[in-house]
Amino acid sequence: EVQLVESGGGLVQPGRSLKLSCAASGFTFSNYGMHWIRQAPTKGLEWVASISPSGGSTYYRDSVKGRFTISRDNAKSTLYLQMDSLRSEDTATYYCARTHYFDYWGQGVMVTVSS
Amino acid sequence: IQLTQSPSLLSASVGDRVTLSCKGSQNINNYLAWYQQKLGEAPKLLIYNTNSLQTGIPSRFSGSGSGTDYTLTISSLQPEDVATYFCYQYNNGDTFGAGTKLELK
Repeated sequence: EVQLVESGGGLVQPGRSLKLSCAASGFTFSNYGMHWIRQAPTKGLEWVASISPSGGSTYYRDSVKGRFTISRDNAKSTLYLQMDSLRSEDTATYYCARTHYFDYWGQGVMVTVSS
Repeated sequence: IQLTQSPSLLSASVGDRVTLSCKGSQNINNYLAWYQQKLGEAPKLLIYNTNSLQTGIPSRFSGSGSGTDYTLTISSLQPEDVATYFCYQYNNGDTFGAGTKLELK
């Protein structure tokens, strides 16, 4: 059974950093592109970042470029999102998802950026 | 590419045939998916590549469309289908629609 479990969320002050993790199981992690998607409270879905199966290629939405870094450890079957210089508008539930049409999602982790 | 979903809110009765629309600002080339999100849960993939049913999804869900216009159809609405439905295009960039909230009449 495919499982994706996010962790690392919480309350953080503006300008600070946070690192999210997504532990994958039930499939060969190194074969799949992986993604982060977020959803602000009572809002719609927004793609954040993607990484190729090898980790050699990464892609970001404009509003997080230069602040967020997506990475992966295929030996640990884990996806990461390093979030620096956080802003209030980054407040959202963050989901990790598999493959380019997001066939499986994690349960989500809440990130709140507030002083 | 911008995606416009309509209606934003839909009220229907159990057993109704329900149709949700998703229109792109450019040709999506059938690279369109549909997700169901129930309150407090993560989204769940229903349909990918316009009309391919994800494993485990009931056959009352179907997708169709081409070019810029796409549709999700629920052939016979069930109480457990109450949710918000999002479309997503992966042809050019990554864009989600704003969603259609489906409720029971």
